[in-house]
Amino acid sequence: QEQLVQSGAEVKRPGSSVKVSCKASGDTFIDNVFHWVRQAPGHGLEWMGRIIPYIEEGENPQTFQGRVTITADELTKTVYMEMTSLRFDDTAVYYCARGRTYLGEMAVWGQGTPVIVSS
Amino acid sequence: AIQLTQSPSSLSASIGDTVSITCRASQGISNALAWYQQRPGKPPKLLITDASSLEAGIPLRFSGSGSGTDFTLTINGLQPEDLAVYSCQQYHIMALTFGGGTKVEI
Repeated sequence: QEQLVQSGAEVKRPGSSVKVSCKASGDTFIDNVFHWVRQAPGHGLEWMGRIIPYIEEGENPQTFQGRVTITADELTKTVYMEMTSLRFDDTAVYYCARGRTYLGEMAVWGQGTPVIVSS
Repeated sequence: AIQLTQSPSSLSASIGDTVSITCRASQGISNALAWYQQRPGKPPKLLITDASSLEAGIPLRFSGSGSGTDFTLTINGLQPEDLAVYSCQQYHIMALTFGGGTKVEI
C-alpha cells in the first residue's frame, strides 16, 4: 500500500529555516502531484503549494511565495518543503499529500511533521 | 481566493443519529469539492470528491451533495469511530482552500 513517510519533528528559532522531507513508496512518482498542507494548533488546514516532479518546479499560493520552496528528487522519490524566515505563527503540523488527480483532491497523506518555532 | 465557510463549527450527536454539515463557497465552484475526515492526532482522510463521489472503502453512511456554492456532507447512522473533524476543500481554482472544519462529538 502506498505510503508517504515524513521526517521528524523540528524545533527552530525565529528567522531560521526548516526543510521537511516526504518519501513516497509507490511505483509511480514523477507524474504524480504532491501537495504541502499545514495545520496550526486549533486551526484549519492551509494549502502551501504543490509540485509535479517531472515538471520540477513547484508552485505556491501568494501567501507563501518567496518564503516556501517545494522540490522533488526523482532518484529517492522524495519531496521537500523548505520554509525560510520562520515566525512564531509558523508553528504547525506540516503534511505532505499525494493528489488523487491533478485537480487538487488529496488521496494519500503523510503522518505529519510538527514544526515548533520558539526562542 | 475562494473562501469556504462551514457550519456548524461543532456539533454533538448520539450514536445512530443523522448528521449534516454544510460548506458554502464565496463563489461558484461547480462540483469541485472534497470532504475529509480527521480523527484526533491523525492526518486527514479523503472521503468524497466531486461533491458526491464516495472514495473506495468509505462506508456508505457517508454521502455528499450540492453544486455551485452550497454543499452538504451527511452521515446516516453516526458511529463511535466517526468522532472527528470534517473539512471541505475546493479545487475549482488552483489556490486550493479548505473550510474551517466541523468537530463532531459523540
